[in-house]
Amino acid sequence: AQSVTQLDSQVPVFEEAPVELRCNYSSSVSVYLFWYVQYPNQGLQLLLKYLSGSTLVKGINGFEAEFNKSQTSFHLRKPSVHISDTAEYFCAVSDLPGTASKLTFGTGTRLQVTL
Amino acid sequence: DTEVTQTPKHLVMGMTNKKSLKCEQHMGHRAMYWYKQKAKKPPELMFVYSYEKLSINESVPSRFSPECPNSSLLNLHLHALQPEDSALYLCASSHSLYGYTFGSGTRLTVV
Repeated sequence: AQSVTQLDSQVPVFEEAPVELRCNYSSSVSVYLFWYVQYPNQGLQLLLKYLSGSTLVKGINGFEAEFNKSQTSFHLRKPSVHISDTAEYFCAVSDLPGTASKLTFGTGTRLQVTL
Repeated sequence: DTEVTQTPKHLVMGMTNKKSLKCEQHMGHRAMYWYKQKAKKPPELMFVYSYEKLSINESVPSRFSPECPNSSLLNLHLHALQPEDSALYLCASSHSLYGYTFGSGTRLTVV
């Protein structure tokens, strides 16, 4: 079975500072990894995904993540955060997105950006 | 069209009511999903449809009844719900090249 661990439930950071949200996965087969953001009272928006190819993935809103197979990690980074980045961030893993596969979420990390 | 559209956005229903949630996508995705999300928790998978057939049912109570009338539509029929079923219900579709696309959800309150 696949699983995802988000090591930090909350990450406070000042505006314009860099941030890293940590995600580790467990899987016995090929993995496909995703980061989603959820703003209050809204659905999930895809930030970025790793399906294959380059291990450095760039997403929307200036976010990027690096797939590290040896460390089974997929940490999310942004060099300079804004107040508007305050939201809940979910890391997720699946085995094959195009089929009826299960997308399994981590418990989420609350990013709180302050002035 | 790169969206998953869910209606209604908000729904309040009594425990004896019957209601339906609707989900629509026109991206040609052949897998569609229902997820349930409680406050401050991650989404939990309920059902998966693949090519309009139910593929995965995560032991969901029978008061939730999914339906996939065609490749673009997914419904979730609700009957005799309990207050603890109040949650955000998310629909998603997926493609092997693009991953999963989620709708904005239906916030359901059972009174």
